[in-house]
Parts: sequence; C-alpha cells; structure tokens
Amino acid sequence: TQLLEQSPQFLSIQEGENLTVYCNSSSVFSSLQWYRQEPGEGPVLLVTVVTGGEVKKLKRLTFQFGDARKDSSLHITAAQPGDTGLYLCAGIYGGSQGNLIFGKGTKLSVKP
Amino acid sequence: DAGITQSPRHKVTETGTPVTLRCHQTENHRYMYWYRQDPGHGLRLIHYSYGVKDTDKGEVSDGYSVSRSKTEDFLLTLESATSSQTSVYFCAISPPAGGALFFGEGSRLTVL
Repeated sequence: TQLLEQSPQFLSIQEGENLTVYCNSSSVFSSLQWYRQEPGEGPVLLVTVVTGGEVKKLKRLTFQFGDARKDSSLHITAAQPGDTGLYLCAGIYGGSQGNLIFGKGTKLSVKP
Repeated sequence: DAGITQSPRHKVTETGTPVTLRCHQTENHRYMYWYRQDPGHGLRLIHYSYGVKDTDKGEVSDGYSVSRSKTEDFLLTLESATSSQTSVYFCAISPPAGGALFFGEGSRLTVL
C-alpha cells in the first residue's frame, strides 16, 4: 500500500509568520501535486512538480520536490489569514493516473 | 473554473435505501473520479473512469458501483446505503494521464 504522510496535521500561527508543510513517502512518485481546500468546497490545484529537485514559486508559496521524488515541501512566507485552509499533497506513482493518492492534509489556521 | 457539477449537493437517506450521485462535466475530459472525504482519512478513491464504459476500482470500492454511459456523466451508486457511507463525496475530472484534478463542490450524504 502506497502512503503519503503529511506533517504537521494541524498548524495554527499568527499573521506574518513563516511555515513549512511536509509530504513524505517511501515510494517514488512520477509527479506530485499540492491542493488547497476551503470549508464546503472541493480542493483546488496549486501546483504540480515533476522533476526531482524542482522548485516552484507561487507568490508567497514555494514548493519543492525532493531529489529522489519521494518527498515534497510547501513553504509559506509571511502567512496571511487568507492562507487559512486544508493543504493536501497528492502523488502519482507508477505513471498511471489511477495511481494517484492523497495525503491526509495539513489544516492551517492563520490568525490576524 | 472547470465545468463540473455534482448533484445532489446534500442528501439524507435511511440505511438500506439505494442512492445515486451524479457528476456532470462540460470539459470533455477523459478521466473522471469519485472520492470520499472523511475526517482522519483524507480523500480516498472509490472508482475512476478512463473512458465511456471503462471504469476501475479504487482504494475503497466495496459497496459502491459506477457507470459512465457518456463522456460527460459519471454516476456513483450505493445499492444499499449503510451508516459507514455517511461522507462527503467529491467528483473530479482530469485531462490525459498525469494531469491535475479539477474537483466538484462535493455532495454531502448522511445515512441514518
């Protein structure tokens, strides 16, 4: 069974602080995606990383894919209340779209 | 936003009754998925489809069946609903293999 472990599970911080969310597995993924979900809505894609060592930036969010393609991180700089939500990583292994698995998510709360 | 709608958005039913959830897309994407989301478990794949009449099981397929008679519609059926199937169900679509998922807004099902 393939597993994606996300940490931390919960994170509560003050506006302006930095944070990092981790996504780890013992499996190699052909690509990895990060999603953000707000209450009552479906997840929305933030980024896809494909190449080992790849770094992508989306405004104050920085995503990194591990060199071995087994792990990824999401770093948020100067968090804002609008960043509050559930962050999910999802990995595709074996190159098959049917083999996409999700981590359990990190619930982020940013207080003003 | 991806053209994907789920119906019904909310449903309360009794144990033993059949339930069908519908997912409709206007994007002509090949892949369609049904997930359930539960606290502590994250998003888990129930079934997915890679074309008309082509479906495959996911991680938690027991008690569920699906049908896809045309590209735009993917139906999820609970033949005899049980309380353990109380959950939020998400439909998702994606372009060819390796693509990101676009989610619907979810269907909240309560089985009493």
